[in-house]
Amino acid sequence: ETGVTQSPTHLIKTRGQQVTLRCSSQSGHNTVSWYQQALGQGPQFIFQYYREEENGRGNFPPRFSGLQFPNYSSELNVNALELDDSALYLCASSLGAPGQGAPEAFFGQGTRLTVV
Amino acid sequence: DAKTTQPTSMDCAEGRAANLPCNHSTISGNEYVYWYRQIHSQGPQYIIHGLKNNETNEMASLIITEDRKSSTLILPHATLRDTAVYYCIVSRNSGGSNYKLTFGKGTLLTVNP
Repeated sequence: ETGVTQSPTHLIKTRGQQVTLRCSSQSGHNTVSWYQQALGQGPQFIFQYYREEENGRGNFPPRFSGLQFPNYSSELNVNALELDDSALYLCASSLGAPGQGAPEAFFGQGTRLTVV
Repeated sequence: DAKTTQPTSMDCAEGRAANLPCNHSTISGNEYVYWYRQIHSQGPQYIIHGLKNNETNEMASLIITEDRKSSTLILPHATLRDTAVYYCIVSRNSGGSNYKLTFGKGTLLTVNP
């Protein structure tokens, strides 16, 4: 149990639709990162939010967007879904601070998205 | 971030030490070495990290060579529940809270009874 919860756990969407995935971070954590994990691959960094601002982005198109709320929970939105978006989407929370070494990240169980 | 190289798979007998190697020959001075593991159908779990000194916690030990070009994760007494994919990651904190974890394919460790 990491204290990071994601919803829903599973989701099936049709190509072209939009989806919103949610993440509740561990209490007190101010940083949330999102990762995409395709079958048989390691997780790939999508983006990170620190105190409600995007704080780094991986090699993903603009149709992947996110939000972080004042309570530090977060959403990942994907527009115009493609078949290749089928993957496990992972959220990780951590407590970051300027000048600190990179902190330990706590991952949720993920949302399994299937695009048909 | 520096790239890492890990064996695709390893086996270990239950109760024995599991030694998982990682090469990171292009690591730079401000980059840390992290180890995470992912048990099937779960999110990755942090194990340990270090900069240049060896580290130990309740889960594992991390041995980093003096030139920092390679490291070894040691699980001292492997159990069946340690069967997982183990990821060695090199990452830096580029200021503020800006960092990312670049996962490769990792090493599938299978602990056998």
